[in-house]
Amino acid sequence: GDSVTQMEGPVTLSEEAFLTINCTYTATGYPSLFWYVQYPGEGLQLLLKATKADDKGSNKGFEATYRKETTSFHLEKGSVQVSDSAVYFCALTDAGGTSYGKLTFGQGTILTVHP
Amino acid sequence: DSGVTQTPKHLITATGQRVTLRCSPRSGDLSVYWYQQSLDQGLQFLIQYYNGEERAKGNILERFSAQQFPDLHSELNLSSLELGDSALYFCASSVESLYNEQFFGPGTRLTVL
Repeated sequence: GDSVTQMEGPVTLSEEAFLTINCTYTATGYPSLFWYVQYPGEGLQLLLKATKADDKGSNKGFEATYRKETTSFHLEKGSVQVSDSAVYFCALTDAGGTSYGKLTFGQGTILTVHP
Repeated sequence: DSGVTQTPKHLITATGQRVTLRCSPRSGDLSVYWYQQSLDQGLQFLIQYYNGEERAKGNILERFSAQQFPDLHSELNLSSLELGDSALYFCASSVESLYNEQFFGPGTRLTVL
């Protein structure tokens, strides 16, 4: 079945540092890929998405490129802020078969940014 | 604010009891999804409804059931509760059932004592 693997966490950075959170996936069809963010005590918010190979999703300074050849969707940000501290989830939805758009999530990566 | 509402925000109950979690999707969204978030299992898809009909099932226990009503709100019923059912339960909605991004509610935190 479909699966998503995220880099081991947690990740601790200083403000203005460069961020990379690795994400790789396994899917039988042609998935759409997402990054969701969960701030403390809140629900998940969509951060960015990409629906086909070579698409780049971007939002709030975060970027991720859909790489079909390496089955990856790594999240990057050039300069993190304290307010970026949250849990980040990589996810996919694969409309092939009977999945009907359900999301399969990675295990989440806790990011803490210090001033 | 995603536009998806969930009630209650917190629920504390005892083993063996039954609870109902409620979700109202964003205006115009026909699909409702339920997810469970726990420390050991992470975020797991439970079940999806589309315009009142069950569309997909995931790792949902037989003790759990759900439905979507004509006004499109959904309820997740959890019965014969066990300690291991303690988790955050999220509802999400989307316009269509394929590919569209899902908008998540704030969740219901269930504690089973």
